[in-house]
Amino acid sequence: KAGVTQTPRYLIKTRGQQVTLSCSPISGHRSVSWYQQTPGQGLQFLFEYFSETQRNKGNFPGRFSGRQFSNSRSEMNVSTLELGDSALYLCASSLASRYVGEQYFGPGTRLTVT
Amino acid sequence: KNEVEQSPQNLTAQEGEFITINCSYSVGISALHWLQQHPGGGIVSLFMLSSGKKKHGRLIATINIQEKHSSLHITASHPRDSAVYICAAPQNRDDKIIFGKGTRLHILP
Repeated sequence: KAGVTQTPRYLIKTRGQQVTLSCSPISGHRSVSWYQQTPGQGLQFLFEYFSETQRNKGNFPGRFSGRQFSNSRSEMNVSTLELGDSALYLCASSLASRYVGEQYFGPGTRLTVT
Repeated sequence: KNEVEQSPQNLTAQEGEFITINCSYSVGISALHWLQQHPGGGIVSLFMLSSGKKKHGRLIATINIQEKHSSLHITASHPRDSAVYICAAPQNRDDKIIFGKGTRLHILP
């Protein structure tokens, strides 16, 4: 069974631009969560989607948004990029659980904002 | 102050040594998770525990709910154990998960 895939793997953007990251969960998984990882803050929870509905959201500004499609694939969007948005963005999927211990992680998208 | 604190931040040890990584939390949680992140970013879940102790191979995780403290132990450490170990906890009040900053472990051959 294929694992969680994320595209693109690496991305360089300029301040003020917007970016869309994509996540394809493991087949049959309906929950997708997104996390941001930076050297200073470590891992932080962004949001979680289940069956196309946002089930939980972390403490991030409204510039960070996401959605989930009927095939469970998910996208996250960051508008008006800031230098501080440079990070590794990880997506994780599970059958239905929102608990990180039951999730399978993708390899991440490394976003650099210049 | 972070609500989930890990120690040490960095740890270098010789192959074969017994390793202990600590995680303390100040919020009410239902379970605590230990994750392993290898260079390159891939994260795998090691343990999810809400009480007592769990063992998987050379890895042992314990939790003391009253003291709000968990430990991850590695017996007979090996260079392939070199990774970042992260503890994480979903808060009871809003179910949002919070993470420790991670412990970077380096095992020398």
